[in-house]
Amino acid sequence: KQEVTQIPAALSVPEGENLVLNCSFTDSAIYNLQWFRQDPGKGLTSLLLIQSSQREQTSGRLNASLDKSSGRSTLYIAASQPGDSATYLCAVSSQGDDYKLSFGAGTTVTVRA
Amino acid sequence: GAGVSQSPSNKVTEKGKDVELRCDPISGHTALYWYRQSLGQGLEFLIYFQGNSAPDKSGLPSDRFSAERTGGSVSTLTIQRTQQEDSAVYLCASSQGTSGGPSYEQYFGPGTRLTVT
Repeated sequence: KQEVTQIPAALSVPEGENLVLNCSFTDSAIYNLQWFRQDPGKGLTSLLLIQSSQREQTSGRLNASLDKSSGRSTLYIAASQPGDSATYLCAVSSQGDDYKLSFGAGTTVTVRA
Repeated sequence: GAGVSQSPSNKVTEKGKDVELRCDPISGHTALYWYRQSLGQGLEFLIYFQGNSAPDKSGLPSDRFSAERTGGSVSTLTIQRTQQEDSAVYLCASSQGTSGGPSYEQYFGPGTRLTVT
């Protein structure tokens, strides 16, 4: 069974600092990896999807890397803003169950103005 | 275009009653998913529909839970004889669903918060 871990569980940084969020997974036979953002009381917003054949994806200030062999992904958010405050979730789908996402518990980010 | 919509946004019910939760996927998306988010459990997969294929129900926690998808679009998740441990946020997602690459990118609705008293 795929296990997904996110460290740290919570992070507080001053505005302007770069954010580094970590995700690890136990089974490297993944189909893809998806990063989501969740605001309090809201659903999930998809940020980036990395296919298993890719090493990274970028969107604006966001960059996500994937190292399948070591079972790790990192989400970088450059020049953080108070509006980036949210919970960030990492989810992985495994080969054979390529539609079924296994989620980490999330990292709750607070960006202080 | 419109995203995934879910109704109701909040539902409070008494233990033992049945509830129905509705999901409207993004138009044109053939795949639909239900997840549950509860304190201490994180996000759990419940069920997956893809076109006219038999659904993957492997994540349903008990036979009190069922789901159907009519006409390949709207889906209803039904919980019979609700228990307090069913209290959670139920999230629906959809994707284009065809095989290969980013077509499995899942887009989530706002969720239904279910409270069983």
